[in-house]
Amino acid sequence: NAGVMQNPRHLVRRRGQEARLRCSPMKGHSHVYWYRQLPEEGLKFMVYLQKENIIDESGMPKERFSAEFPKEGPSILRIQQVVRGDSAAYFCASSPIGDTQYFGPGTRLTVL
Amino acid sequence: KQEVTQIPAALSVPEGENLVLNCSFTDSAIYNLQWFRQDPGKGLTSLLLIQSSQREQTSGRLNASLDKSSGRSTLYIAASQPGDSATYLCAVRRGDTDKLIFGTGTRLQVFP
Repeated sequence: NAGVMQNPRHLVRRRGQEARLRCSPMKGHSHVYWYRQLPEEGLKFMVYLQKENIIDESGMPKERFSAEFPKEGPSILRIQQVVRGDSAAYFCASSPIGDTQYFGPGTRLTVL
Repeated sequence: KQEVTQIPAALSVPEGENLVLNCSFTDSAIYNLQWFRQDPGKGLTSLLLIQSSQREQTSGRLNASLDKSSGRSTLYIAASQPGDSATYLCAVRRGDTDKLIFGTGTRLQVFP
């Protein structure tokens, strides 16, 4: 059973571009969580999704950020019009029924 | 609002020492507490998960304790090895939400 997969592992964008981060949960897991780790800071919760539903988006910035977890395919975290402050490591985690969360390797976003 | 603090922020010890890492949280109404390990540039590896009804969990050289009433958890590492060098994170989960609240971590270096 493959672990949580995230791609790309590293992403470089220029200011104003869009960033799309993908997360494939472990097989059988229907719950997906996104966290962000800013340089020299701890991980902060962003959003919790189940298939086709956003359950908790209390940690998402109000503008430019969106997330989805469609019926088929990976979960996508989308950042529009990126700014330098968006540079961070973005981690995805999955769980089967809201139990232990298993983390992916992360996507490191650099905004030039 | 739940806040999680980890002390010390950094620790450097010679190989073979027994270590105690501390985690404190402000709201005792937690569902569980989890300890993770993060290697530089990598994702998170779950080490131990303690349910709110439990007092401790053990895995190999690791032992984690939980005192919910005082808002504290400790991670005990016996006979430390250079391979234990990493950042150790604790995270709490409340009963009414699935999101994890992370501490800022303890950066451990074990030298030969």
